[in-house]
Amino acid sequence: QVQLVQSGADVKKPGDSLKVSCKTSGYTFSDFYIHWVRQAPGQGLEWLGWIKPNGGGTSYAQKFQGTITMTRDTSINTAYLELSSLQSDDSAMYFCARGAYNSGKTHFDFWGQGTLVTVSS
Amino acid sequence: ENVLTQSPGTLSLSPGDRATLSCRASQSLSSSYLAWYQQKPGQAPRLLLYASSSRATGIPDRFSGTGSGTEFTLTISRLEPEDFAVYYCQQYGASPRFGGGTKVEIK
Repeated sequence: QVQLVQSGADVKKPGDSLKVSCKTSGYTFSDFYIHWVRQAPGQGLEWLGWIKPNGGGTSYAQKFQGTITMTRDTSINTAYLELSSLQSDDSAMYFCARGAYNSGKTHFDFWGQGTLVTVSS
Repeated sequence: ENVLTQSPGTLSLSPGDRATLSCRASQSLSSSYLAWYQQKPGQAPRLLLYASSSRATGIPDRFSGTGSGTEFTLTISRLEPEDFAVYYCQQYGASPRFGGGTKVEIK
């Protein structure tokens, strides 16, 4: 069965960087895009961007360009989200999700369990 | 950018009631690019519908979707206890975007 398992919760200080992992299984990793979505406490869902595992191409939401980097390691079927220069308003639950088709323009059919990131001095 | 506005913000209903949730886009949207998700506290979102009206695998037929252009609707025909949750619409064009959500709570 398709599974996306994310790394555990983390606490960082303002200005720090953080890398969140999303390990996938149950399907061919290179055939489906991975998207990242975040949710601040008590708030709605915000799309961050996607990575195409086959080739490593990326597309980021304009708001996050320059502050996030998405990468992948095809040898271990894992996608990564790196956040730099963290601020308190980056405190959120971060989700990875699989795009349902081999395209950036698709709904998300499977989700990771989420990684809680807390930024506090 | 195509902004999605969901209404109402909160819907207070009883089990067995019919729920009608609205999602309005600021620009016309292909119905092929509209999805609905359900999210319960402490959980990841779960895909309900895609392409406006196609149910995802395992989603019961009490969930249905309609709409085109700028107006889309999610209907839950008879609310079950497990349906009380927050619902998000999403457009997944070039830059995916979510609506602000509708909370369906027990009256």
